[in-house]
Amino acid sequence: AQSVAQPEDQVNVAEGNPLTVKCTYSVSGNPYLFWYVQYPNRGLQFLLKYITGDNLVKGSYGFEAEFNKSQTSFHLKKPSALVSDSALYFCAVRDFASGGSYIPTFGRGTSLIVHP
Amino acid sequence: KAGVTQTPRYLIKTRGQQVTLSCSPISGHRSVSWYQQTPGQGLQFLFEYFSETQRNKGNFPGRFSGRQFSNSRSEMNVSTLELGDSALYLCASSQGRGLTTDTQYFGPGTRLTVL
Repeated sequence: AQSVAQPEDQVNVAEGNPLTVKCTYSVSGNPYLFWYVQYPNRGLQFLLKYITGDNLVKGSYGFEAEFNKSQTSFHLKKPSALVSDSALYFCAVRDFASGGSYIPTFGRGTSLIVHP
Repeated sequence: KAGVTQTPRYLIKTRGQQVTLSCSPISGHRSVSWYQQTPGQGLQFLFEYFSETQRNKGNFPGRFSGRQFSNSRSEMNVSTLELGDSALYLCASSQGRGLTTDTQYFGPGTRLTVL
């Protein structure tokens, strides 16, 4: 069975500093990995995804993520945080090889707080 | 292009009642998925529809059902509501059959409160 872990419930960072939101996964086949952001009382907004190819994926709003197969991680990063980045971030995985089913599994979410 | 729309945005029901939620996907998108989001369980997949057929189903009781119409609009129904059904219900659409590599675009959700 596939699983996703976001080990930090909350990440605090000062505006202008780099940020990292961690995600590790477990799948039986090749993973499809996604990051989403959720603002209060809103749905999820897609940030970026890894399907295959270059391990460094660039996405919306200056975010990027690095796929690391040996560490089964897909951490979300941004070089310089903005106060407006404060939101709830979700990592999700879809296991390509799981018997033809591609149901996504989401992490519990990490609350990112960027302080002015 | 207009995004995914969900109606109503907020709903209050009492135990035992039933509820129907509606989702209109992005124009041209044919796949619609539904998710339940709660503080305790997080985001959980309910089901996916493509071309008016349910393609995948999550681990929810039969009280949860859905359908998709020929214009790709989708509805989900919850019968005999329980307090634990209180949640944010999210709909997501994608162009092809969504549960592969396609990006899913989410609506703002319907906040259901069961009293």
